[in-house]
Amino acid sequence: GAVVSQHPSRVICKSGTSVKIECRSLDFQATTMFWYRQFPKKSLMLMATSNEGSKATYEQGVEKDKFLINHASLTLSTLTVTSAHPEDSSFYICSAVPDIDTQYFGPGTRLTVL
Amino acid sequence: AQSVTQLGSHVSVSEGALVLLRCNYSSSVPPYLFWYVQYPNQGLQLLLKYTSAATLVKGINGFEAEFKKSETSFHLTKPSAHMSDAAEYFCAVSEAGGYNKLIFGAGTRLAVHP
Repeated sequence: GAVVSQHPSRVICKSGTSVKIECRSLDFQATTMFWYRQFPKKSLMLMATSNEGSKATYEQGVEKDKFLINHASLTLSTLTVTSAHPEDSSFYICSAVPDIDTQYFGPGTRLTVL
Repeated sequence: AQSVTQLGSHVSVSEGALVLLRCNYSSSVPPYLFWYVQYPNQGLQLLLKYTSAATLVKGINGFEAEFKKSETSFHLTKPSAHMSDAAEYFCAVSEAGGYNKLIFGAGTRLAVHP
């Protein structure tokens, strides 16, 4: 139980294009999902908290207009990186909360912007 | 403000030896504490969690951790290391369990040699 999937697992795009990453909770409903970014050999940095049916809450320093988050249903949240640039290349990981205690993480999406 | 310090960015042990990964936290409220493991190019897998119940927490793959309030520590141990334990380990703290954001430590890379 408590499986979280992400799609795609890796994506390569050209600078200036937009990329959408999906995060799904497969066997539970998640009113709250989180999006993290991980740089090489670094820890995870929380980007935003995604709540179903409402606007996402972004952490300080994260550009809302660049990283668009939509939590359209209780099992799906999407992160769209708009007008991507090479500095946006990173490993993006989502998590979802099936119970009050614990976040379960997706397998991550490696984004490379050329 | 909450914070997590993981002492030792790299730990190397022999196969069969004791594994000890250190984590100290700072929190103004009773914390929820977590250990996650990350294998290369993958998301995070929950090893164990402390949620104000028993101070000695047993997790998957033979790992356990002990919550020591007086020392503000939550060190991770395993009696006998396996080669398959080689991975990155993250300690994390949350103020109110899964629905609140996680603050991660910098991570400890565990190497296991024959």
